[in-house]
Amino acid sequence: NAGVMQNPRHLVRRRGQEARLRCSPMKGHSHVYWYRQLPEEGLKFMVYLQKENIIDESGMPKERFSAEFPKEGPSILRIQQVVRGDSAAYFCASSPAQSYNEQFFGPGTRLTVL
Amino acid sequence: QKEVEQDPGPLSVPEGAIVSLNCTYSNSAFQYFMWYRQYSRKGPELLMYTYSSGNKEDGRFTAQVDKSSKYISLFIRDSQPSDSATYLCAIPRTSYGGSQGNLIFGKGTKLSVKP
Repeated sequence: NAGVMQNPRHLVRRRGQEARLRCSPMKGHSHVYWYRQLPEEGLKFMVYLQKENIIDESGMPKERFSAEFPKEGPSILRIQQVVRGDSAAYFCASSPAQSYNEQFFGPGTRLTVL
Repeated sequence: QKEVEQDPGPLSVPEGAIVSLNCTYSNSAFQYFMWYRQYSRKGPELLMYTYSSGNKEDGRFTAQVDKSSKYISLFIRDSQPSDSATYLCAIPRTSYGGSQGNLIFGKGTKLSVKP
């Protein structure tokens, strides 16, 4: 009965490198959500995806950030040319179809940008 | 005014106390309300999920919604040291053209239950 899986759990990048964060939803869940938690701040919504479809990306920064949820494989959050301000915990959540409000979270990926 | 506001605490109580955690929100169109618990360096865990006004009970936890005051509460009875965590209220953003999957979180209240 695996929950939402995220990897890596910890990721260290130097400024200017790319970061790729992966999320495998719970079995039977077809909706994936990404959130960012900055130090001393609450969780902030970034993007909501279904298979091969971005539903809501209103929380995504306009530049350097992208997300996908392919037909096969995990969802990927990609951050290009990382900067120190990108250091945060990134959480993925999933939900079954038609139950968007009951989101189950993964353990998070803690990104540190040196 | 922020969409969802929550006192960050910290809140420290003795074991066995009744704990009251609260959030206020600004948009009267919000209908669904959730409480999450987050242990240090872990992902949030869904505790309670309520719709509209009223109370919902689950074991030692009671969620209460007062839509007239735009006020939501989580009560923990007989609190235990294992309840020590950060508690986050969350509301789906539904009134600005956003999807129901877009959750707005409070900043969280850090609770410590002392043995």
